[in-house]
Parts: sequence; C-alpha cells; structure tokens
Amino acid sequence: DQQVKQNSPSLSVQEGRISILNCDYTNSMFDYFLWYKKYPAEGPTFLISISSIKDKNEDGRFTVFLNKSAKHLSLHIVPSQPGDSAVYFCAASYDKVIFGPGTSLSVIP
Amino acid sequence: DAGVTQSPTHLIKTRGQQVTLRCSPKSGHDTVSWYQQALGQGPQFIFQYYEEEERQRGNFPDRFSGHQFPNYSSELNVNALLLGDSALYLCASTMTSGRYEQYFGPGTRLTVT
Repeated sequence: DQQVKQNSPSLSVQEGRISILNCDYTNSMFDYFLWYKKYPAEGPTFLISISSIKDKNEDGRFTVFLNKSAKHLSLHIVPSQPGDSAVYFCAASYDKVIFGPGTSLSVIP
Repeated sequence: DAGVTQSPTHLIKTRGQQVTLRCSPKSGHDTVSWYQQALGQGPQFIFQYYEEEERQRGNFPDRFSGHQFPNYSSELNVNALLLGDSALYLCASTMTSGRYEQYFGPGTRLTVT
C-alpha cells in the first residue's frame, strides 16, 4: 500500500530549462510535505517543504506546489543546472514521515 | 559543526546473525529516526527515538530494536538476519521543534548472505 507515489522513475531535462517532478499521495491525514535530494553514497538532503495550509512555497530556484483536492504536489526547478542531477524523494507526514520511491533527474549540459 | 555520522559504512553478515548499527546526531539535535532503504525504493521508517524512548514505530518486526543514549546517539539492532534485510540503513536527526526537516547521515550498507 503505497501512500506516496512518484510515478516517473526518471526524468531528463536540458540545462537552463524547467524540471517538474510530480508526487501523489493517498492519505488525507498528511499535513506536511517535503522534498529531499539524494546524491550517490550520501544521505538525503532536505530541499524544501510545504504545510497543507499553503498551496505554494518558494526557495530560490525551487518551488513546491500543493493541490490538496487532487492530493498532488510538484517540485519545480528553474533554471535546471547539471548539479541538480540526483534522485529526488517526495515525503509526506502527519505523525511519521512516509517517502515516495524517488525520481532520478538528469540535467543535460 | 559535524553532521549526522553513522558507523560502520559497510557490513556483511550471514543469515541468522545479529547486527548493531550506530548513529551520532547533528549537534543540537535530540531526536533520531532510523530508515531502511532497499534498492530502487524510498527510505522506509523503522522507528524514532526521543528522550531515550521509542516514540514512534513503522511496520517492522520486533527483530528490529533500538536504543538512544543520554548523549542522543542511537543504535539500531537487527536480530536473526534475513536475506531481505540487505539494504541501506539511514539515520536522521532533528530538533523536537523541527517540523520533520531531518538531517540524514550517509547510511550503513548491510549485506546479508
């Protein structure tokens, strides 16, 4: 029973363009959502988060959008850079944190 | 400022054996969580420790147990190892006031043969 889904295992984007990573969830109890980035041989690194009372949060090149009615969130990276190439995990929480399976992003120079 | 550290980096064990993994949280953090990450999957929550007690637990059998020490460091113990326990084990720390923005260590790669 996957409560947090990332249906795209991989994504390739040209440098300078927008990267959009998607995430869907099933449990309406989730009230806080996070995105983490993971490079090989390193632990996940926190990127950005959003509370369920908001629909958008921005931090530099990273913006997270939340659509509660659709139980969908997305991470936008603009402009994409080669250093953004990593695995991105969507996570959702109410009492514990549930991670999605991840999307591998490749930014092509 | 040291981040989250974990030891050992890699470990190979035989089915049926027991293993202990160790974690030191980031300075100033008092809450430690453990995750199991199988190949191609996201981290799965095992349990969380705060004030030396298990505060929350995921869907893992009792073979998985833990401990937190007064200095906030933590151990994960797995008994009667199965082949399916082979995974990357991640430790994450946070301040109790931190709304789930956890800092992760690099993980311990456990291989069960």
